[in-house]
Amino acid sequence: EDQVTQSPEALRLQEGESSSLNCSYTVSGLRGLFWYRQDPGKGPEFLFTLYSAGEEKEKERLKATLTKKESFLHITAPKPEDSATYLCAVQEIGNDYKLSFGAGTTVTVRA
Amino acid sequence: EPEVTQTPSHQVTQMGQEVILRCVPISNHLYFYWYRQILGQKVEFLVSFYNNEISEKSEIFDDQFSVERPDGSNFTLKIRSTKLEDSAMYFCASSKVETQYFGPGTRLLVL
Repeated sequence: EDQVTQSPEALRLQEGESSSLNCSYTVSGLRGLFWYRQDPGKGPEFLFTLYSAGEEKEKERLKATLTKKESFLHITAPKPEDSATYLCAVQEIGNDYKLSFGAGTTVTVRA
Repeated sequence: EPEVTQTPSHQVTQMGQEVILRCVPISNHLYFYWYRQILGQKVEFLVSFYNNEISEKSEIFDDQFSVERPDGSNFTLKIRSTKLEDSAMYFCASSKVETQYFGPGTRLLVL
């Protein structure tokens, strides 16, 4: 059973068109939820760590939020350079610091 | 800003050959990891390493895989007898505690 499910698989946006990405997770105890950005052929680039429900983090046009079952990554007024695959990953208490990743959401922003 | 580095960036090998993938983690980090990503699939955890020993490994990390920290800076992944299905991007990551920072990856192609 997948621990992390991301939706949608792909998202095409017009420049300036805000949207949200969803990450649903099932773990017995959450140590942390992580958002990464991945460009084609590159390694995941760290964006945010969220630890508890109600927590929010922001960086430029990105804002991540966390509930007990899911996390959202909000992209406000995106630009073409925000085009990438956004990965969600969870760490479970008792599982060392291993990350379990979702399949990602590929965002394409058109000028 | 400190980064995780990996060499080589690309490696082509024949089935049955041994390969060694190298990583230099961020210097003050204590935890080291290897992940892999088969083309079009999720990032998958292979192994974590702390205090000079494996702290957790996945089912993928069987006897053909080994890890080593041969000196104070390098962290290596050895695949003893490569198979076609080992073709993937291999990412090294390091962390002080929870948040992991990834290297750019080594693209391994087994022919």
